[in-house]
Amino acid sequence: ILNVEQSPQSLHVQEGDSTNFTCSFPSSNFYALHWYRWETAKSPEALFVMTLNGDEKKKGRISATLNTKEGYSYLYIKGSQPEDSATYLCAFIPGFQKLVFGTGTRLLVSP
Amino acid sequence: EPEVTQTPSHQVTQMGQEVILRCVPISNHLYFYWYRQILGQKVEFLVSFYNNEISEKSEIFDDQFSVERPDGSNFTLKIRSTKLEDSAMYFCASSEQGLGAGYTFGSGTRLTVV
Repeated sequence: ILNVEQSPQSLHVQEGDSTNFTCSFPSSNFYALHWYRWETAKSPEALFVMTLNGDEKKKGRISATLNTKEGYSYLYIKGSQPEDSATYLCAFIPGFQKLVFGTGTRLLVSP
Repeated sequence: EPEVTQTPSHQVTQMGQEVILRCVPISNHLYFYWYRQILGQKVEFLVSFYNNEISEKSEIFDDQFSVERPDGSNFTLKIRSTKLEDSAMYFCASSEQGLGAGYTFGSGTRLTVV
């Protein structure tokens, strides 16, 4: 059974704080890792697709890194804003046609 | 921005009844998927579909489930005889390049089996 773990499960920060979450996945048979942002009552929105060890991707204040040898990815948010409040999901792709999702990290940013 | 459309947003059905969940993927996407999330659990894979056939399915996707792309635009998930444990949020997704690109998800259909 493939297991993808995310930590923390939830996080409450103040506006302006920087924060980071972790996604851990099996280090063998890696194909790709996706990060999604999921706001309540909306659909998950793709943030990053990461495929190479050492990948670093950035989108505005959000960035992500990937270490396939040790099986983890970090998502960073710099200067959190209330509109960043959402659940952040990572999904591991083990080389066949499916995403294996983590449980998500629920982020709440207070003004 | 193109989006994946799912209907209905919420469906309540009696146990043993058949349901069809409908999805309109993004028009130039080639790969289609169904995922579901039972309340409080992880989002889990059901099935992937490419070139008019199932390319992979999970152990959840048993004989009670089927998918179809009847007319080149709709992508449907049918559950023949619903069980209580089928109650979940069902998400359709599509992708232009398969695993190498992010998926575009619909906003889901909440299925409640009573």
